[in-house]
Amino acid sequence: SQQGEEDPQALSIQEGENATMNCSYKTSINNLQWYRQNSGRGLVHLILIRSNEREKHSGRLRVTLDTSKKSSSLLITASRAADTASYFCATDAGGGYQKVTFGTGTKLQVIP
Amino acid sequence: SQTIHQWPATLVQPVGSPLSLECTVEGTSNPNLYWYRQAAGRGLQLLFYSVGIGQISSEVPQNLSASRPQDRQFILSSKKLLLSDSGFYLCAWGSNQPQHFGDGTRLSIL
Repeated sequence: SQQGEEDPQALSIQEGENATMNCSYKTSINNLQWYRQNSGRGLVHLILIRSNEREKHSGRLRVTLDTSKKSSSLLITASRAADTASYFCATDAGGGYQKVTFGTGTKLQVIP
Repeated sequence: SQTIHQWPATLVQPVGSPLSLECTVEGTSNPNLYWYRQAAGRGLQLLFYSVGIGQISSEVPQNLSASRPQDRQFILSSKKLLLSDSGFYLCAWGSNQPQHFGDGTRLSIL
């Protein structure tokens, strides 16, 4: 079964606005990762946050992790049309072999 | 630098035909390798993973099999495709997190 569930399923914003996506998961994790997928392409890793971290930044990306609520959020600031893509969270529950479980994704559309 | 190649990009096959999708990784040794399937508009389902040559673990029962004949080669196969095998197949490698993905194969079954 899917470990991560993102919400919203779809998000449409104007260029320059901020986009926030949320991920909830069910079991304890070692780390949580966010990936981006352009239409018809493979996934690209964006950021990894470990279970003992609460916040992490990378450029215009900000990820938070609340292990007590089993949730994470991805914030993209000052969005651009090129940010249009699907975004997935993936959780590593420590089952070995670096296996991760992906959520169902948030489809982001940034309107120029 | 490490690269991952996956082919073909698209494939249309009749029901009952065989399948072979290939994935190769360059620039790294003894990676963990993964095959995923993604249904339209959905997340990724892990099908197989491999931690070494000849070592394959299956995550879900299905009509597919995987093999790893060389350290950096991962093959997804089927003897007889079903309509339900349609989807977007992604290969990935990883040694430590995160995973790195190929560009995928879009498989359509007629």
